[in-house]
Amino acid sequence: TQLLEQSPQFLSIQEGENLTVYCNSSSVFSSLQWYRQEPGEGPVLLVTVVTGGEVKKLKRLTFQFGDARKDSSLHITAAQPGDTGLYLCAGEGTDKLIFGTGTRLQVFP
Amino acid sequence: NAGVMQNPRHLVRRRGQEARLRCSPMKGHSHVYWYRQLPEEGLKFMVYLQKENIIDESGMPKERFSAEFPKEGPSILRIQQVVRGDSAAYFCASSPLGTGLSYEQYFGPGTRLTVT
Repeated sequence: TQLLEQSPQFLSIQEGENLTVYCNSSSVFSSLQWYRQEPGEGPVLLVTVVTGGEVKKLKRLTFQFGDARKDSSLHITAAQPGDTGLYLCAGEGTDKLIFGTGTRLQVFP
Repeated sequence: NAGVMQNPRHLVRRRGQEARLRCSPMKGHSHVYWYRQLPEEGLKFMVYLQKENIIDESGMPKERFSAEFPKEGPSILRIQQVVRGDSAAYFCASSPLGTGLSYEQYFGPGTRLTVT
């Protein structure tokens, strides 16, 4: 069974701080996506990483796919209150996405 | 280009009633996926459909749950004789691609089902 564990589960920080969210598995994935979900809404796709070791930047967000394609990280620089939300990683399984356990981020002004 | 549409957004049912959740995929997308989410958890896969075909229903409970994606009209997730444990947010996603390819799924806003 493919599982994705995210850490930390909860994160509360002040505006301007940096943070990293981790997504780990013992399984290899052919691609991995990161989503952000706000209360009452569906997940919104942020990025897809495909190649082992790949790094993608989206403004203040940096995503990395592990060399072995078993793990990924999301780093946010100078967090802002607008970054608040539930961050979900998802690995490409057969016919489905395997979602991580989620990281709830709260950024206080 | 409209996104994935789901309705209703909120649905309240008493125990024993039926719940019908609808999903219209993005224009040009022929693959639909249903997921269930409990509070503060990730999404759990339920079923994957293409037009008129169920491709993978490995995540769907064997009893009371069914899904369809007819040639015309939206995809429907149907829950018969609902119980309190069915209370959750149900999300539909669509993609233009499917098995064996690197794909991205686009999610609807979800239907929040509450069973009283």
